Amino acid sequence: NSKVIQTPRYLVKGQGQKAKMRCIPEKGHPVVFWYQQNKNNEFKFLINFQNQEVLQQIDMTEKRFSAECPSNSPCSLEIQSSEAGDSALYLCASSLEGLGQDTQYFGPGTRLLVL
Amino acid sequence: AQSVTQPDARVTVSEGASLQLRCKYSYSATPYLFWYVQYPRQGLQLLLKYYSGDPVVQGVNSFEAEFSKSNSSFHLQKASVHWSDSAVYFCALIGANSGTYQRFGTGTKLQVVP
Repeated sequence: NSKVIQTPRYLVKGQGQKAKMRCIPEKGHPVVFWYQQNKNNEFKFLINFQNQEVLQQIDMTEKRFSAECPSNSPCSLEIQSSEAGDSALYLCASSLEGLGQDTQYFGPGTRLLVL
Repeated sequence: AQSVTQPDARVTVSEGASLQLRCKYSYSATPYLFWYVQYPRQGLQLLLKYYSGDPVVQGVNSFEAEFSKSNSSFHLQKASVHWSDSAVYFCALIGANSGTYQRFGTGTKLQVVP
């Protein structure tokens, strides 16, 4: 069973507000992924880290989204100015080596609703 | 390009019946392939994964999947379903030479009825 912790479980924001969510990866996992799952079950990869360094990120993440994984602190994903289209389940996953065959362990997600 | 297609949005089966959930992928080489299950208000739980070797992969809870390179498919199967198998199932791939994040299908919602 995954031990990835995500907080908060639910987040409600108005349009234009900041939304911040956190993730504690499994102990000993240096690689962290963020995915967005919308109501149609379409997944979008946002960003991943190895320790504190960004490995890959998509264009969307470079604009209103920011993320970090500081040493000895939870990883975080923040939306600077929330839009209705950002309403989704945000999933954090962690893995041991970040290789293709590595198992990614998912947290329960943070469900964001932007009103 | 890499993509995953799950052609069946919903599948209903009777408890005790066999199950097949379909997954088709598009990738130029052999990808890493995964099946996950998602229960309500939970994250994704890995059922099984494949990269090479025996095309039939055993997973947790008596699930198995069969990889077919010729058909670009990775179908999930179970011989006898239980009501607790009702959930949404996702197929995913990672291209072996193109990063480590997963591309997901849009899922198949399985309903097991008495």
